Amino acid sequence: GIQVEQSPPDLILQEGANSTLRCNFSDSVNNLQWFHQNPWGQLINLFYIPSGTKQNGRLSATTVATERYSLLYISSSQTTDSGVYFCAVKTGANSKLTFGKGITLSVRP
Amino acid sequence: DVKVTQSSRYLVKRTGEKVFLECVQDMDHENMFWYRQDPGLGLRLIYFSYDVKMKEKGDIPEGYSVSREKKERFSLILESASTNQTSMYLCASISEGDKNIQYFGAGTRLSVL
Repeated sequence: GIQVEQSPPDLILQEGANSTLRCNFSDSVNNLQWFHQNPWGQLINLFYIPSGTKQNGRLSATTVATERYSLLYISSSQTTDSGVYFCAVKTGANSKLTFGKGITLSVRP
Repeated sequence: DVKVTQSSRYLVKRTGEKVFLECVQDMDHENMFWYRQDPGLGLRLIYFSYDVKMKEKGDIPEGYSVSREKKERFSLILESASTNQTSMYLCASISEGDKNIQYFGAGTRLSVL
């Protein structure tokens, strides 16, 4: 099956810093989503981005489908950005997403 | 807003008990999923269902079964709980149409003693 690799596995930032989180995948995809899991365990969808670039406030994401990677940018980080960021992809016609192992982000005040 | 509700946030069970984890979604989604999340392993799919009474095995179905008698409700069953099933369990449903955005419940942290 498709492999999804996220890097770096852990990231520590000072509040106000910028960061880039990467997701590499091993095959063509027709769906790519970024999620944030807060410290209480709730997963929230951040972006649906199988290709192109999107922005939502301080967050933006870019997927280069032909090169099989996606990037999540966090600017002017805040302590509330802490948590685990997951990339998930889908190939084929079924609805099953394959998740990466996640990137743990800690933003220090 | 889509709401996916898991019946319990925390559960403690004994080895050998039969355990039911319940999940309800309020958006009439056809597809629902059960994952488990363990440190360093990310989210792994246990089972999913694409319609009432329809189910498919995910990547780690051993030791689990599921039930989908009504469209809004998807239950995960541990027939005889074991300590290696101590984990965080996450239910999700997916929007239909082009985007297939996945919505998650708050999770159930299960401890099997």
